[in-house]
Amino acid sequence: SQKIEQNSEALNIQEGKTATLTCNYTNYSPAYLQWYRQDPGRGPVFLLLIRENEKEKRKERLKVTFDTTLKQSLFHITASQPADSATYLCALDRRVTGANNLFFGTGTRLTVIP
Amino acid sequence: GAGVSQSPSNKVTEKGKDVELRCDPISGHTALYWYRQSLGQGLEFLIYFQGNSAPDKSGLPSDRFSAERTGGSVSTLTIQRTQQEDSAVYLCASSLGATIPFDEQFFGPGTRLTVL
Repeated sequence: SQKIEQNSEALNIQEGKTATLTCNYTNYSPAYLQWYRQDPGRGPVFLLLIRENEKEKRKERLKVTFDTTLKQSLFHITASQPADSATYLCALDRRVTGANNLFFGTGTRLTVIP
Repeated sequence: GAGVSQSPSNKVTEKGKDVELRCDPISGHTALYWYRQSLGQGLEFLIYFQGNSAPDKSGLPSDRFSAERTGGSVSTLTIQRTQQEDSAVYLCASSLGATIPFDEQFFGPGTRLTVL
């Protein structure tokens, strides 16, 4: 089965800096990779999806890259704000026809310090 | 419009009892998923419903776990003879469905289950 590793359980950065979160996988390369944000006591909220044939995807202050050679996705938050503090999860598809569920990583807890 | 709702928000039960957790997906979403999240852990896939197709039960940890989805809408996750290791947050999600592969999933707030 797929193994997903997200860098360091917790990441602290100063407000205004760029946060970079890493998602590494070890088995097959997924067709899609998604990033979610989860706040304490709440369900995850979808942020971005990137396909295997896409190198980079942007949405406002967010940027996701996908390197199928390195088997890695990087998630960047530029000009970080304290409101960006949350746990960020990466998720990969099972790459099985008709199976639409995702494998989730354990997440990285980001704290943006004012 | 309304998002995914789950009930109850919290459930405390005694070991050996059965529990039922409910999920109301977003109207029009044909796909429904159940996940489990233990403290400090990632989301563990449990079961997936897509329209009228047979559900994908490959993530259910034991035969004490079962789920059904009535009328293609509301879903109930049942855990029989609960064990302390079943304590976790149970999350339900829905999405538009298989015609849009791997589309974004909309999650409910979860049900926190505590087995004493």
